[in-house]
Amino acid sequence: EVHLVESGGGLVKPGGSLRLSCAASGFTFSTYSMNWVRQAPGKGLEWVSFISSDSSYMYYADSVRGRFTISRDNAKDSLYLQMNSLRAEDTAVYYCVHALVSGAGVRFYGMDAWGQGTTVTVSS
Amino acid sequence: DIVMTQSPLSLPVTPGEPASISCRSSQSLLHSDGNSYLDWYLQKPGQSPQLLIYVGSHRASGVPDRFSGSGSGTDFTLKISRVEAEDVGVYYCMQALQAPPTFGGGTKVEIK
Repeated sequence: EVHLVESGGGLVKPGGSLRLSCAASGFTFSTYSMNWVRQAPGKGLEWVSFISSDSSYMYYADSVRGRFTISRDNAKDSLYLQMNSLRAEDTAVYYCVHALVSGAGVRFYGMDAWGQGTTVTVSS
Repeated sequence: DIVMTQSPLSLPVTPGEPASISCRSSQSLLHSDGNSYLDWYLQKPGQSPQLLIYVGSHRASGVPDRFSGSGSGTDFTLKISRVEAEDVGVYYCMQALQAPPTFGGGTKVEIK
């Protein structure tokens, strides 16, 4: 069974940085692409970033491009999101999300396993 | 970016009765491979979202067969044949055709 555990959230001042981590288990991490999706308080879902299984492809939402960096360490079964120049509007629960289909390439469909989320609060 | 519009925003339902949610995209989600890249997700109260339907009509593993997805191009529908109390929550559609994947605003399903 796919198991995803996010960590690294917390309270940070505007302009600050945080690094989110996601520990994956229950599947062959190195063969699946991964995503980060966030949800602001009381709001809907917003996709943030995608990374392919071999890190060849990375995509970002316009709202975070240039400030956030997605990465992964397949040897450690871990996904990361480095968040710099944080803004109040980045306040949200951040979910680590597994993609349904394994293999290389870019696919956004079938986000079939979600972590419990980690909360990021950007406030002075 | 592709804009996803769901209706209704809120849907009161009676257990045992059918329910339907509509999702419309600003561009066709039909790929050259013949698939329409539209997913449905449910976020139950206090929980993380879960995948219900992918690529228009494929039920995810463990999803009851009372859930079905249909549609093609720009118009899609999620149907629940007989609503159960455990089906309450917010339903989201998401286009997966191109980056950035975008979600609809959500439909809140609650028991009457």
